[in-house]
Amino acid sequence: EDQVTQSPEALRLQEGESSSLNCSYTVSGLRGLFWYRQDPGKGPEFLFTLYSAGEEKEKERLKATLTKKESFLHITAPKPEDSATYLCAPRGGSNYKLTFGKGTLLTVNP
Amino acid sequence: DAGVIQSPRHEVTEMGQEVTLRCKPISGHDYLFWYRQTMMRGLELLIYFNNNVPIDDSGMPEDRFSAKMPNASFSTLKIQPSEPRDSAVYFCASSFVLTGELFFGEGSRLTVL
Repeated sequence: EDQVTQSPEALRLQEGESSSLNCSYTVSGLRGLFWYRQDPGKGPEFLFTLYSAGEEKEKERLKATLTKKESFLHITAPKPEDSATYLCAPRGGSNYKLTFGKGTLLTVNP
Repeated sequence: DAGVIQSPRHEVTEMGQEVTLRCKPISGHDYLFWYRQTMMRGLELLIYFNNNVPIDDSGMPEDRFSAKMPNASFSTLKIQPSEPRDSAVYFCASSFVLTGELFFGEGSRLTVL
């Protein structure tokens, strides 16, 4: 069974204080790892897809990286508007399904 | 594009009542997904459709849950009878291809008393 663990569960940063979120996964034949952002009262919003170890994707202050067992979401000089829950979801090769982690709640204080 | 549209946004009902949640996917998307989100279990896939046909309903928790997609622009998720443990946020999502990114609606928050 595919498993995903995100850490930490919650992270509080000061504006400009860089950090990383972790997504550890166990899937058979990874066919992509997805990162989503979810604001309170909203549905998840797609950020990145990574397909192979060593791949990196960037969007503004966010950079996602992938290894064979983990993915990291690095946040550089965050701003309060980066506050959200960040979800990762690997897709296993045996089926189409995304297995979502429970997310990391990021709060960036001004 | 208006995105994925769900209704109602909030529903409060009593145990035993029938609940119907509705979804309009993005035009042109061939795949439609129903997810449920709770604090304990996170986001769980309930069922998905391809070209209006249910492909996998293995995530539907019980026979009390049913989903239909009568046409490309409309889907329903029905719970009958509802129970307090069904309280959750139900999301509909659509995508152009199976392996692509999902576009989520804003969700329907269900509270069963």
